[in-house]
Amino acid sequence: QIQLVQSGPELKKPGESLKISCKASGYTFTDYAMQWVKQAPGKGLQYMGWINTQTGKPTYADDFKERFVFSLETSASTAYLQINNLKNEDTATYFCARKGFAYWGQGTLVTVSS
Amino acid sequence: DIQMTQSPSSMSVSLGDTVTITCRASQDVGIYVNWFQQKPGKSPRRMIYRATNLADGVPSRFSGSRSGSDYSLTISSLESEDVADYHCLQYDEYPYTFGAGTKLELK
Repeated sequence: QIQLVQSGPELKKPGESLKISCKASGYTFTDYAMQWVKQAPGKGLQYMGWINTQTGKPTYADDFKERFVFSLETSASTAYLQINNLKNEDTATYFCARKGFAYWGQGTLVTVSS
Repeated sequence: DIQMTQSPSSMSVSLGDTVTITCRASQDVGIYVNWFQQKPGKSPRRMIYRATNLADGVPSRFSGSRSGSDYSLTISSLESEDVADYHCLQYDEYPYTFGAGTKLELK
């Protein structure tokens, strides 16, 4: 069956960096783009952008152009979200979702606190 | 960016009710609207795709409709398992955009 399995929760300090993984299984990884979605505590869903899993080309929504990096390890069917220079407002759950949004990862809770 | 104005933000409901949630798109997005259900601590679940299509495994009491730039999710005969947050998404144009969400609460 199709699954997206994300890495575990993270507790970081402001200014640090982190990298979240999203490992896909049950389908051909390069057949579908991967999307990323942010959900701050008690808030709605915010679309971050997507990465073309064939070319590795990322596309970012405006709010995520500065410190956010999407990348791939195609041989491992894994997509990554890196956040640099973490800020308190990055505290959120981050989801990966396959193109079409029928399949989602379980979410990774990121807490940024000094 | 396209705005998806979702209403209401919350709704107090009773079991057996018919519930309608609406998203209005700020510009034409055609049929490219999804609806998601999300329960606390869980990932969103796609309920409706391309505005009117029921996703796999979704009960038939859920339906989606479109009238011009207004998109609606209707739940007929609400059951307890339907109490959740609901989100719309337009995926006609990048950046995709979500509505602000609707929280259903039992009276």
